[in-house]
Amino acid sequence: EAGVTQFPSHSVIEKGQTVTLRCDPISGHDNLYWYRRVMGKEIKFLLHFVKESKQDESGMPNNRFLAERTGGTYSTLKVQPAELEDSGVYFCASSLTRGGAYNEQFFGPGTRLTVL
Amino acid sequence: DAKTTQPNSMESNEEEPVHLPCNHSTISGTDYIHWYRQLPSQGPEYVIHGLTSNVNNRMASLAIAEDRKSSTLILHRATLRDAAVYYCILRDGRGYGTSGSRLTFGEGTQLTVNP
Repeated sequence: EAGVTQFPSHSVIEKGQTVTLRCDPISGHDNLYWYRRVMGKEIKFLLHFVKESKQDESGMPNNRFLAERTGGTYSTLKVQPAELEDSGVYFCASSLTRGGAYNEQFFGPGTRLTVL
Repeated sequence: DAKTTQPNSMESNEEEPVHLPCNHSTISGTDYIHWYRQLPSQGPEYVIHGLTSNVNNRMASLAIAEDRKSSTLILHRATLRDAAVYYCILRDGRGYGTSGSRLTFGEGTQLTVNP
């Protein structure tokens, strides 16, 4: 069975440009999460989808970030306009439906975003 | 979120057991103890979790102190592939609508395995 996939694996853009990251969760996983690690910092939670609904978006840093999960399958994370401090690795994870603290999250390999 | 404290780094020799400690003195009664690890250039990977009793799976064992204020991840025979950053994470067991769904990563323990 395919794991969580993310595209692209690496993106280099200039400040002010727009970038869209994509995550394909494991088939049948209703929960989808976005996390990121910016330079020298810890991995931080961004948001959580249950199917197509945003369950928790408390970690989104500002309104330059927009996440969508139309149809409850794959998700996109758009950064517009990108700033230098957005550089880092963006991880996506998915998990099954059962309750919050019990379910194992499966992570993708991440997208490395570099903003010049 | 309740905090955890782990050593920054540990070293082990191949095929020897490794005990990775974690302190969580402010753990609440509904918090589960989860361990994830991150191998180089990969996303984090689930290792094990528990609530009160010790747990075993194919990857590792989790020993939880009786007062639940600390736990130890045990790798019974370390291999070179086990070199990774290990994260001890508390998750609220009350489920959706709380912070329990998300993972709160700290700095973790960098495990080096020597051949």
